[in-house]
Amino acid sequence: AQRVTQPEKLLSVFKGAPVELKCNYSYSGSPELFWYVQYSRQRLQLLLRHISRESIKGFTADLNKGETSFHLKKPFAQEEDSAMYYCALKAGGTSYGKLTFGQGTILTVHP
Amino acid sequence: ETGVTQSPTHLIKTRGQQVTLRCSSQSGHNTVSWYQQALGQGPQFIFQYYREEENGRGNFPPRFSGLQFPNYSSELNVNALELDDSALYLCASGWGINTGELFFGEGSRLTVL
Repeated sequence: AQRVTQPEKLLSVFKGAPVELKCNYSYSGSPELFWYVQYSRQRLQLLLRHISRESIKGFTADLNKGETSFHLKKPFAQEEDSAMYYCALKAGGTSYGKLTFGQGTILTVHP
Repeated sequence: ETGVTQSPTHLIKTRGQQVTLRCSSQSGHNTVSWYQQALGQGPQFIFQYYREEENGRGNFPPRFSGLQFPNYSSELNVNALELDDSALYLCASGWGINTGELFFGEGSRLTVL
């Protein structure tokens, strides 16, 4: 069975500071990893996925299979980044679209 | 482009009752998934439907059932409601049987008394 752990429930930084949201996973196969975000009063939405290796809103995330991690990083946080962030894993094989989510991290960026 | 819509947004039921939640997928999507989100937790996978067939199920008992219709809309039915069923139920749609790129609705908040 797969598991996703986000060790920080709350993370506070000041505007302009670097931010890193941690995500660790447990899965024996080759996973797909995602970051989903929920801004205040909005629905859950996809932020980025590891296979596309892109930067979205200044955020990047690198899949580290050795450390089984997929941390989300941004060099200079903005107030509009304040939101709930979920790391999610999709297993291979016949898991189809099942996503396993972490418990989430609430990021607050102070002015 | 119309996003994922869910109804009702809020509802209250008593233990033992049955509930039906509805979802309209985003235009062009052929996969729908349902997730349960308890307070303070991440969403938990219930099941997925593709071309009107269930093809993936999480750790939920059979009293959680669903349907997907030819127009790709969907229903989640929960029988014999228990207090622990109180949660936000999220519907998500996507393209393809194996997609992890999901588009979520705003959810239906169920309270069981």
